[in-house]
Amino acid sequence: DTEVTQTPKHLVMGMTNKKSLKCEQHMGHRAMYWYKQKAKKPPELMFVYSYEKLSINESVPSRFSPECPNSSLLNLHLHALQPEDSALYLCASSHGDRGRPCEKLFFGSGTQLSVL
Amino acid sequence: RKEVEQDPGPFNVPEGATVAFNCTYSNSASQSFFWYRQDCRKEPKLLMSVYSSGNEDGRFTAQLNRASQYISLLIRDSKLSDSATYLCVVNTYTGGGNKLTFGTGTQLKVEL
Repeated sequence: DTEVTQTPKHLVMGMTNKKSLKCEQHMGHRAMYWYKQKAKKPPELMFVYSYEKLSINESVPSRFSPECPNSSLLNLHLHALQPEDSALYLCASSHGDRGRPCEKLFFGSGTQLSVL
Repeated sequence: RKEVEQDPGPFNVPEGATVAFNCTYSNSASQSFFWYRQDCRKEPKLLMSVYSSGNEDGRFTAQLNRASQYISLLIRDSKLSDSATYLCVVNTYTGGGNKLTFGTGTQLKVEL
């Protein structure tokens, strides 16, 4: 299994809603990532988890709350989002061996989020 | 200055042409480098890693110049199916983990 699976594929939510994005991989990877991608722009890093611990937070607003329940799962909890948060949210994973500088990312197909 | 810079294009080339993309990066501590391909409304997919010695995968050749902080991708004998956005990606390993930074992407359109 060389896949990163994201659900849902599409999500429409209001600004007062609470929703969660889910990501799963069974490749034994120990690093997992959330990226945000606006139309016609490159992906922008949001969070990195290494060995289930949050290791990088790129100054993301607190209305985005990541969670890594175990080494295979990564969630992104959404609350009180703004319309400008509408984007494609990509999950990725990599081997994540500590001290290993050369990392290839495996991406999920993303969740297309629309905030109304 | 952006961490990773690319010419956004679009590059419109005829089928069979050779096309080259360039990328520069600002962090001299970056350790590894990649080219990703992204089709419209799809996730990025790894095309190839980039090594200082240069590496080739079929019609694709990648090159890294650490001294100039410059990365290139050459595509020979372009196919219609090569039409996509090509993203230059730079990895910097910090104490917190690997941080991959994407360039803005170069759009390629291969035409009949």
